[in-house]
Amino acid sequence: EAQVTQNPRYLITVTGKKLTVTCSQNMNHEYMSWYRQDPGLGLRQIYYSMNVEVTDKGDVPEGYKVSRKEKRNFPLILESPSPNQTSLYFCASSDDRGGTGELFFGEGSRLTVL
Amino acid sequence: AQKITQTQPGMFVQEKEAVTLDCTYDTSDPSYGLFWYKQPSSGEMIFLIYQGSYDQQNATEGRYSLNFQKARKSANLVISASQLGDSAMYFCAMREPRTYKYIFGTGTRLKVLA
Repeated sequence: EAQVTQNPRYLITVTGKKLTVTCSQNMNHEYMSWYRQDPGLGLRQIYYSMNVEVTDKGDVPEGYKVSRKEKRNFPLILESPSPNQTSLYFCASSDDRGGTGELFFGEGSRLTVL
Repeated sequence: AQKITQTQPGMFVQEKEAVTLDCTYDTSDPSYGLFWYKQPSSGEMIFLIYQGSYDQQNATEGRYSLNFQKARKSANLVISASQLGDSAMYFCAMREPRTYKYIFGTGTRLKVLA
């Protein structure tokens, strides 16, 4: 089954404790990206990657890091989480080799930073 | 700056009636893609419909159609014959081919009444 898998789905952590949210897709998509969803703000793009070893900042990259060492994986790293990073996070991928380029989303990861 | 605006935070529609969800966008790039996504209460993001900036005809997908008015920079979603299962949050989004950034609106919460 074609899918984007995120882990963990739910996480409560404390300020300053480094954490990684993993994202993996099995559709051989070149494009992958991370978003955070906050009430009243919609989804905002954090980082995106056009291909292996190629990453770019989205609209809200502060406090986050990413890496793209393999085509299928695109982890989101919070080096020193703060309460304002409490949010619902989505990973998504798309096939930009033709077609519409719609995003395929993971199920989301709800992060709470205390 | 690129922007997506959804001015209706919430809407109600009677079952079996049609409803229009508004979306306006702003970009200086002549080439772009417009998307609508649905987010049910369960939280997943579902792709509904796509419109390319050079497409001559309005996109349609089953009960969904996109009313694309390029001069007005609007891309409204029309849902015909509303069903109870259409109750969800709806997001309008734009992708810029040049930067591969995705921008989302703040969403419209639709409630279908029996």
